[in-house]
Amino acid sequence: GAVVSQHPSWVICKSGTSVKIECRSLDFQATTMFWYRQFPKQSLMLMATSNEGSKATYEQGVEKDKFLINHASLTLSTLTVTSAHPEDSSFYICSARPGQGSDQPQHFGDGTRLSIL
Amino acid sequence: DAKTTQPTSMDCAEGRAANLPCNHSTISGNEYVYWYRQIHSQGPQYIIHGLKNNETNEMASLIITEDRKSSTLILPHATLRDTAVYYCIVRLRNSGYALNFGKGTSLLVTP
Repeated sequence: GAVVSQHPSWVICKSGTSVKIECRSLDFQATTMFWYRQFPKQSLMLMATSNEGSKATYEQGVEKDKFLINHASLTLSTLTVTSAHPEDSSFYICSARPGQGSDQPQHFGDGTRLSIL
Repeated sequence: DAKTTQPTSMDCAEGRAANLPCNHSTISGNEYVYWYRQIHSQGPQYIIHGLKNNETNEMASLIITEDRKSSTLILPHATLRDTAVYYCIVRLRNSGYALNFGKGTSLLVTP
């Protein structure tokens, strides 16, 4: 089945640093990828929609200058948390959707647990 | 996407069938029912989806009522590894939009 790989799985870093998270579709081309954030005991919340070759669409309340998304190829999207602070600590999850017209469901990476000290 | 309603939590004994209900009374004719689950500290995992016919795969069965206003996900022989939060999501099959996760049902499989 479709596989989405997310890296790294766990990051611990100091406040003020930037962290890049990669999301790759391993066996299909993904024209669209999604980035979610999940706080403890809560459900997944969509942060942004990433379309290959164009700017990401951010959900209301998500700072686009803080959460930089790049979707430069059909198999890779990256999320960079810039100048991270403790309140950015969360579980970040990406999902990928096969190309337009496909009836395949979205598939998810295993998430990245980000801890900012 | 149509709204769904699921019980907050359920228990199931290991080896027994786990039947997880979902209400989606506002579902439209071309919307599918999708089920995902999220095991603790992992990303959501796709389980199954269907339109109006019952569906079965290696993971589970999906039973959709004739009026399509509700459905049940069946894990025929639950194991401890099936302990997870299960999400029922209604949407168009080829929708380009993200999945909208509600609170889901927290299933606890006990020895």
